Amino acid sequence: DIQMTQSPSTLSASVGDRVTITCRASQSISSWLAWYQQKPGKAPKLLIYKASSLEAGVPSRFSGSGSGTEFTLTISSLQPDDFATYYCQQYNSYSGFSFGQGTKLEIK
Amino acid sequence: QVQLQESGPGLVKPSQTLSLTCTVSGGSISSGDYYWSWIRQPAGKGLEWLGRIYTSGSTRYNPSLKSRVTISVDTSKNQFSLNLSSVTAADTAMYYCAREVGAIDAWGQGTLVTVSS
Repeated sequence: DIQMTQSPSTLSASVGDRVTITCRASQSISSWLAWYQQKPGKAPKLLIYKASSLEAGVPSRFSGSGSGTEFTLTISSLQPDDFATYYCQQYNSYSGFSFGQGTKLEIK
Repeated sequence: QVQLQESGPGLVKPSQTLSLTCTVSGGSISSGDYYWSWIRQPAGKGLEWLGRIYTSGSTRYNPSLKSRVTISVDTSKNQFSLNLSSVTAADTAMYYCAREVGAIDAWGQGTLVTVSS
């Protein structure tokens, strides 16, 4: 199984900050990585697919990069609506897909 | 725009089988190159992918649950279903159905299933 590890688990930041969340895979997944945003009581929302492709309708302040085993999600200028939990997900594995443990983005 | 809606019992007894159905609206479950998946999330915890099905009936399951999970599809009703056998309290979670092409681009709102006697 491919294990996904996100860091940090919690991130405190202010409106206007640039923030980066990292996701590492236990083996190479090429670019088969997605990022999701989840708010309390809601289903996750797709932000980024194939490591760096922005889902339609997602603000351009969100960007993704990386390949192989190391990936990042960057929010260029935090907005109040961005405080949420973020998950990465690999979809390369023939045996199944897996998520990172999540990063909670809190207001400083 | 496709919409997904989970349905099924909110309470299941230990050792029994959890059964949920996802109804797809706004498009045919058979159209497009999509897979149909189940994901769950215990309260306050992360997401766990349970498995997926293609409309041909081809399935893939999470290896950690493989012996207990069955996913099926009924294209005539535009639905797919999850069965999880021999449940315990550890299976208490919010269960989501979803559409995926690897990345998951559409989710149901989720249904809470509690395992308790």
